Amino acid sequence: AQKITQTQPGMFVQEKEAVTLDCTYDTSDQSYGLFWYKQPSSGEMIFLIYQGSYDEQNATEGRYSLNFQKARKSANLVISASQLGDSAMYFCAMRSYNNNDMRFGAGTRLTVKP
Amino acid sequence: ETGVTQTPRHLVMGMTNKKSLKCEQHLGHNAMYWYKQSAKKPLELMFVYNFKEQTENNSVPSRFSPECPNSSHLFLHLHTLQPEDSALYLCASTQRAGGPDTQYFGPGTRLTVL
Repeated sequence: AQKITQTQPGMFVQEKEAVTLDCTYDTSDQSYGLFWYKQPSSGEMIFLIYQGSYDEQNATEGRYSLNFQKARKSANLVISASQLGDSAMYFCAMRSYNNNDMRFGAGTRLTVKP
Repeated sequence: ETGVTQTPRHLVMGMTNKKSLKCEQHLGHNAMYWYKQSAKKPLELMFVYNFKEQTENNSVPSRFSPECPNSSHLFLHLHTLQPEDSALYLCASTQRAGGPDTQYFGPGTRLTVL
């Protein structure tokens, strides 16, 4: 069974600094995708970044980058130059290429301090 | 309208009521999903539809009844719910079910069952 673990229930970061949100996963599948979503208090899940299991380069999208370490089964999200608007819940998710089941972690609440 | 929309955004209902949640995607996708997000629990996949056909029912109680009349619309019919069904219900869509496609979410319907 697939499982996603986010060990940090809450994180604080100073505005303009970088922060790393941890995510580890467990799967026996070889082909899968890893996703990060942001959920502000309004409730909408906003897609941030995607990493395929066969991608050799770490994914980057603007201020977001994914530190993918396949052997360790970790997919940490790095947010550079934090902004006040980055305060939200962040969810790591994984989806096998072979099925419909997208598994989500419990989330990390990030608070950016001015 | 763009992306994925959901109506209503908030719903309060009694245990004997019948109500429906609506989701519409404007992305030309072929797969749609219902998720339940309860407080302090990871997102739970409820149903998956691919090309209007239900491909997954994640052991959801029969008081939740999905309907997918076409690839753009998805409904969740609710009847005789319990207070523990109070949650944020999120709809999502992908180009196709399975594979690495990114799921795009709607803003959610926050449901309260009295």
